[in-house]
Amino acid sequence: RKEVEQDPGPFNVPEGATVAFNCTYSNSASQSFFWYRQDCRKEPKLLMSVYSSGNEDGRFTAQLNRASQYISLLIRDSKLSDSATYLCAVGADSSYKLIFGSGTRLLVRP
Amino acid sequence: EPEVTQTPSHQVTQMGQEVILRCVPISNHLYFYWYRQILGQKVEFLVSFYNNEISEKSEIFDDQFSVERPDGSNFTLKIRSTKLEDSAMYFCASRGVDRDTQYFGPGTRLTVL
Repeated sequence: RKEVEQDPGPFNVPEGATVAFNCTYSNSASQSFFWYRQDCRKEPKLLMSVYSSGNEDGRFTAQLNRASQYISLLIRDSKLSDSATYLCAVGADSSYKLIFGSGTRLLVRP
Repeated sequence: EPEVTQTPSHQVTQMGQEVILRCVPISNHLYFYWYRQILGQKVEFLVSFYNNEISEKSEIFDDQFSVERPDGSNFTLKIRSTKLEDSAMYFCASRGVDRDTQYFGPGTRLTVL
């Protein structure tokens, strides 16, 4: 089983749509969870940290389910500028190294 | 807003040559990382560095790789004898003491010919 697994997509949605991404992780001892956004040939940029209580930042909502080892990201009212690859990342071990999923590609069309 | 910087943005080298990739982490951060991303693949952890020593390294980080913090600001990754398969984007990241969020630099694209 892969350490961090994501649906690669692409998700092709119209502007204004709501889209949800899922991510599963295998290491139950993982301590921290993140969603990053990556544009083509650019660095990962932190979108949000993910907490058990869930967190929301504008149109973006992230949830963590430790029992199921599952992380989700919900994007409401999609914009053209949301088109990117969304990376799920899990912090592991004492060094908090990040283990990334392969990413889910989102295309928002006019 | 403070940011991680990396130089050069693109490095082209011949197979077997040594390369040094440079990073300037965010100034009050103490934990430093190198990751790489081969084109079309996922971001992979290489090494973490804290208190002037390696705290963890992946199996990718073999004897050809080394890291150093030569002064108070720079953090370098050296590849001693580059191989074709070292061609990738190399990202540096840093993390503060109290938060476990890592911030990434813009990357160095390494092309080995």
